[in-house]
Amino acid sequence: KNEVEQSPQNLTAQEGEFITINCSYSVGISALHWLQQHPGGGIVSLFMLSSGKKKHGRLIATINIQEKHSSLHITASHPRDSAVYICAVNGQGGSEKLVFGKGTKLTVNP
Amino acid sequence: DVKVTQSSRYLVKRTGEKVFLECVQDMDHENMFWYRQDPGLGLRLIYFSYDVKMKEKGDIPEGYSVSREKKERFSLILESASTNQTSMYLCASTYWGGVNTEAFFGQGTRLTVV
Repeated sequence: KNEVEQSPQNLTAQEGEFITINCSYSVGISALHWLQQHPGGGIVSLFMLSSGKKKHGRLIATINIQEKHSSLHITASHPRDSAVYICAVNGQGGSEKLVFGKGTKLTVNP
Repeated sequence: DVKVTQSSRYLVKRTGEKVFLECVQDMDHENMFWYRQDPGLGLRLIYFSYDVKMKEKGDIPEGYSVSREKKERFSLILESASTNQTSMYLCASTYWGGVNTEAFFGQGTRLTVV
């Protein structure tokens, strides 16, 4: 079983819809990252969080440490949000290596 | 504008060739990483380096080696390329003590071994 599980694997939405992508992890962590990968391959860091909630534009990330769960929300989705969204965690004890989920492929149709 | 730059976006190599993938970062980061990404498997760590001339094996080091002669450059070497090494390769870097710092990724190199 992968230490980091994402759901759903694939998600198709209509422009304007509210989108939620979930990430559950089975290990103790010091930080959780949400990453975005567009077709073509480059990965961009969206959020890094260890507690609570962060917001950037239309993106919101939350984490519940007790439940070992994080969500990434996109409000008023747009076709340019179409990408693969990847959850990754740093292990406890100062581990600098990231453990990745397998990603959620989001397609937003106009 | 901070950058992690990989030397090639696309590479096609023949089986048995020695292949070098280069990664350069301009952020003075101590940690650098090489991953490969395959459909259904996600990103998997091949090797990482936390200092010049230092390296540690990741989860799938077989068939690969690395070199870190300068802080800004981390090279991944396929000594004798094989078709099962066809993949997307991604380089990343973070600061030392990078538990609470952002990871920066290169644009990826899509390698095809024929």
